[in-house]
Parts: sequence; C-alpha cells; structure tokens
Amino acid sequence: EAQVTQNPRYLITVTGKKLTVTCSQNMNHEYMSWYRQDPGLGLRQIYYSMNVEVTDKGDVPEGYKVSRKEKRNFPLILESPSPNQTSLYFCASRPGQGRYEQYFGPGTRLTVT
Amino acid sequence: SQKIEQNSEALNIQEGKTATLTCNYTNYSPAYLQWYRQDPGRGPVFLLLIRENEKEKRKERLKVTFDTTLKQSLFHITASQPADSATYLCALLSSNTGKLIFGQGTTLQVKP
Repeated sequence: EAQVTQNPRYLITVTGKKLTVTCSQNMNHEYMSWYRQDPGLGLRQIYYSMNVEVTDKGDVPEGYKVSRKEKRNFPLILESPSPNQTSLYFCASRPGQGRYEQYFGPGTRLTVT
Repeated sequence: SQKIEQNSEALNIQEGKTATLTCNYTNYSPAYLQWYRQDPGRGPVFLLLIRENEKEKRKERLKVTFDTTLKQSLFHITASQPADSATYLCALLSSNTGKLIFGQGTTLQVKP
C-alpha cells in the first residue's frame, strides 16, 4: 500500500531531551516536507527536501533539524525541545516531475512538558 | 502581507444540499491551488488541484473554481452527505517561492 508512515504517533517528553520523529514513504517521491499544525494557525511548513541531500527551511524552522540521506526517509530532529514545540506534526511527500499533490502521514502528537 | 483566508466559522448544511466553501488570498501569485480534506486527528487528504489558467475542475460530486482576478477559489460539494463532514483546507503553490501555503480550513457539518 502506498503510504507515508510516521513514528511515534504520540510522544510526551521533557524540555531539553533530544528526540527524533521518523518519516518514511514508499512511493519513490522526490519531495518531502514537515509541517506542524496548531489551533488557529493552521498547517505551517517547517522544512522541506527536494531530493536526497537537498533540504531547505520552511516558514517555522527554528528549533528543528532534518536530514535526507535516503530518498524514502526524512526524519525530524528536535535537539532541545521546548514547550512551544508542543504540536501535531505531519510529514508529507509529493511526486515531483510536474505533480504537486501531497500525501500526508497520520501525524505525530508531541507534548513537551 | 500575504494571506490565505478561509471562513473560520463552521458551515452547517442539510444532507442533499450543495456546500460551498471559500478560499481568498492576497499578495500571492499562485501557480496552483489545491483542496484537501482533513478528518479529526488525521492527516490531510488531497482532493483536487486547479491551475492558474483553469477556471473550473470537477471530480465526481466535487467542483472547484479559480478566479485569479478576484483572488478566490470556491469549493463545491453537491448532494452532500453526512460522510462529507470534515475540515477542508485550501493550499496555494506560490510561483514566487515554490512553497505550498495552507489556509486554516473550514469545518463542514452535514446534518441528516
């Protein structure tokens, strides 16, 4: 089944404890993105990647890191999480090559205390 | 400043009626506009894409219009059903930045 998977789906952590949220897609898509969704603010892009080893900042990149060592994986790293990073996070991919529809993962609900 | 606006108030309609949702934008030059459906606690699901040189796009009971002069897109669901109840997001692909920017979404409630 073509899909985007994220792990973990739920995570409660403490301020300053490094964490990684994994994202994987099995559709051979070129583009991958991370978004956070907050009430009243909608979906905001954190980082995106156009291909392996090519990443760029989105609208809210502060406090986050990403890497794209393989085409299928795009992990999101929070080196020192803070409570303002409590949010619902979505990974997404799109085919590229003139196709712009995005396929979203199921979401990761992160709480930082 | 750049803005995408969707009606933040929920839209409540009766089953069988046509639902019309609005997406307005300012200070963008979108190459494409997309509509997504999002159910509570789940990721958005792509529905339709319309290009800047297209006036209208249809898919089954869905219809999207795109007016670059008015800077507005309308999303219609005909013969609406309770299963259509969800939040609908519009998103612009900016031809300037190449980024996809989302509106905050409008929640549709279809009552039987």
